Amino acid sequence: GENVEQHPSTLSVQEGDSAVIKCTYSDSASNYFPWYKQELGKGPQLIIDIRSNVGEKKDQRIAVTLNKTAKHFSLHITETQPEDSAVYFCAPAPEIQGAQKLVFGQGTRLTINP
Amino acid sequence: DSGVTQTPKHLITATGQRVTLRCSPRSGDLSVYWYQQSLDQGLQFLIHYYNGEERAKGNILERFSAQQFPDLHSELNLSSLELGDSALYFCASTPMGGGINEQYFGPGTRLTVT
Repeated sequence: GENVEQHPSTLSVQEGDSAVIKCTYSDSASNYFPWYKQELGKGPQLIIDIRSNVGEKKDQRIAVTLNKTAKHFSLHITETQPEDSAVYFCAPAPEIQGAQKLVFGQGTRLTINP
Repeated sequence: DSGVTQTPKHLITATGQRVTLRCSPRSGDLSVYWYQQSLDQGLQFLIHYYNGEERAKGNILERFSAQQFPDLHSELNLSSLELGDSALYFCASTPMGGGINEQYFGPGTRLTVT
């Protein structure tokens, strides 16, 4: 099955600086790479995703880059703001019709210091 | 608001008891997923239902069972509860059963076993 690792497990950055979180996976069949953000007391929410036919996707201050050869993808947040403080999860998965057995990374707690 | 509802929000019960957690997916979504989130385990996939049928199982204990009803709501039944079952339980829904799509998470049910 899929083995997913996230690094770092905690990250503290100054407001305005950039943050990068890396997700490494083992299943070469994975071709969907999402990042979820979980704020305190809430369920996870998708913030950006990428499919294996592209190497990078950007949405305002957040971006995801994919290195399929090395089996890792990263979340980049620029110009960080206090509201970016949350736990971030990756969940790489193969696009298999029907059954979906999702494995989430262990999460990265991001703290933005004012 | 993701459109996914979960009840109850909080549940406190004793060891050995049985509880039922309920999830209503977003209108029109056919797939429901259940996850367990404890402090040291991250998000663990439990089970996936599509249009009333079980599609995939994760690390779900034999003491746990789930079903999806004709109106597409789902219930997760936890029996012979142990202290270690204390966790947040999330359900998520997606529009289709095939292929990977964004998962919409509910607000979760916090279960405390005493």
